[in-house]
Amino acid sequence: GEDVEQSLFLSVREGDSSVINCTYTDSSSTYLYWYKQEPGAGLQLLTYIFSNMDMKQDQRLTVLLNKKDKHLSLRIADTQTGDSAIYFCAENGSWGKFQFGAGTQVVVTP
Amino acid sequence: EPEVTQTPSHQVTQMGQEVILRCVPISNHLYFYWYRQILGQKVEFLVSFYNNEISEKSEIFDDQFSVERPDGSNFTLKIRSTKLEDSAMYFCASSYDSSSYEQYFGPGTRLTVT
Repeated sequence: GEDVEQSLFLSVREGDSSVINCTYTDSSSTYLYWYKQEPGAGLQLLTYIFSNMDMKQDQRLTVLLNKKDKHLSLRIADTQTGDSAIYFCAENGSWGKFQFGAGTQVVVTP
Repeated sequence: EPEVTQTPSHQVTQMGQEVILRCVPISNHLYFYWYRQILGQKVEFLVSFYNNEISEKSEIFDDQFSVERPDGSNFTLKIRSTKLEDSAMYFCASSYDSSSYEQYFGPGTRLTVT
C-alpha cells in the first residue's frame, strides 16, 4: 500500500545545513511536498517538486528527488532557530488525497 | 492572501457527544478535505469532497463521521458519538481541483474527548 517514511529527529547547529530524508512508495504521485508545522500551528506548504524533476531550489531550500529509488530530501541551508519545527513529507494520490510521513522534528541549537 | 479558516480552535467534549467542526475553504476552491493528526502521530487523510458528495474516504471515516457543505462557504465535519480515540487535531484543506499541486490547510481544530 501507499506509505511515506521519514527519519523522526534531526538536531542541527545554527548556521549549518539540515538534510531531511523521505521515502515513498506510490510511483504514480504527480507532486511531492514538504510541509512545515510549528508548535500549535497548522501545516505550511514550504515547497513542492513535480515528479519529472530531480531538483528544485527555492532560496535556502533545495529539494532533491530520486524517482528510481523513490527518495526525496529537503536541504535547508544556513539553518536558523526559526527553522525549528516538524517537517512533513507528502505525496498526492487519487482525488487529491495526500499521504503524509510521520514528520521529522528538527531542533536547531545555538 | 486567501486562507482556510477553522472554528473552533479547541473543542472539549464528553465521550458520546456529537461535535461539529467547521471550516471555511478558500472561496474559489472546489475540492475539500479533512485530515486528522493524533498527538505525536502522522497526519491521516479522512475524506475528500467534491460537487456535494464524498469523492474518497479512508477506513477511519466510518459511520460516525459525516461531512456537509451546508451553504456556499462552510464545510463541516460531524462526529456523531465521540470516542476517546477521536481526540486529535483536525485539519481542513481545500484545492482548486483534484490535480492541483497545492492544498491549502487550515490551522486546525484540537478536539479533546474526555
